Amino acid sequence: AQSVAQPEDQVNVAEGNPLTVKCTYSVSGNPYLFWYVQYPNRGLQFLLKYITGDNLVKGSYGFEAEFNKSQTSFHLKKPSALVSDSALYFCAVQPVYGQNFVFGPGTRLSVLP
Amino acid sequence: DAGVIQSPRHEVTEMGQEVTLRCKPISGHNSLFWYRQTMMRGLELLIYFNNNVPIDDSGMPEDRFSAKMPNASFSTLKIQPSEPRDSAVYFCASSSRQANVGEQYFGPGTRLTVT
Repeated sequence: AQSVAQPEDQVNVAEGNPLTVKCTYSVSGNPYLFWYVQYPNRGLQFLLKYITGDNLVKGSYGFEAEFNKSQTSFHLKKPSALVSDSALYFCAVQPVYGQNFVFGPGTRLSVLP
Repeated sequence: DAGVIQSPRHEVTEMGQEVTLRCKPISGHNSLFWYRQTMMRGLELLIYFNNNVPIDDSGMPEDRFSAKMPNASFSTLKIQPSEPRDSAVYFCASSSRQANVGEQYFGPGTRLTVT
């Protein structure tokens, strides 16, 4: 079965410190990988995606994600966290183009001033 | 571009009533998705369409739920009759097959409360 895991329900980090939000997946083949962010009372917003090529992809708001095929992981990172980064983050995979996404359960990030 | 448009933004109704949620996808996008989000279950895919045709409705909870996409610019999700356990935020998203990989763009959601 295809699945996406985000092992941490909650991540707390101090402002200015680096942050990592973890994601691992179990999907056959070579999936496309995504990160989305959801602010309170808003829809999900696309942050970045990995299709192929360089394992480190850069996205919006200074976020980046590292793809690791051997570990089937796609961790979201940012070198210096901002209080405004506090939100709910979702990892998603698209097993085959044209099929639906499989979303992880979400990780709530809190950046403390 | 106005993005994905959903209406209404909030809906409060009594158990047993019919509820219709509406979605206008981004112009040119040919895939449309309906999701439901709750604290207990997280984000669930209910149904998705490609080129106005329903492809996978396995996530639709039961026969009380139905979805249509009569044309490329409009979709509805109907619940009849509604029940309190249907209370959730319902999101519509769209994506384009013009690109090799289609990230989904989400609407603001409809918060449904069934009393």
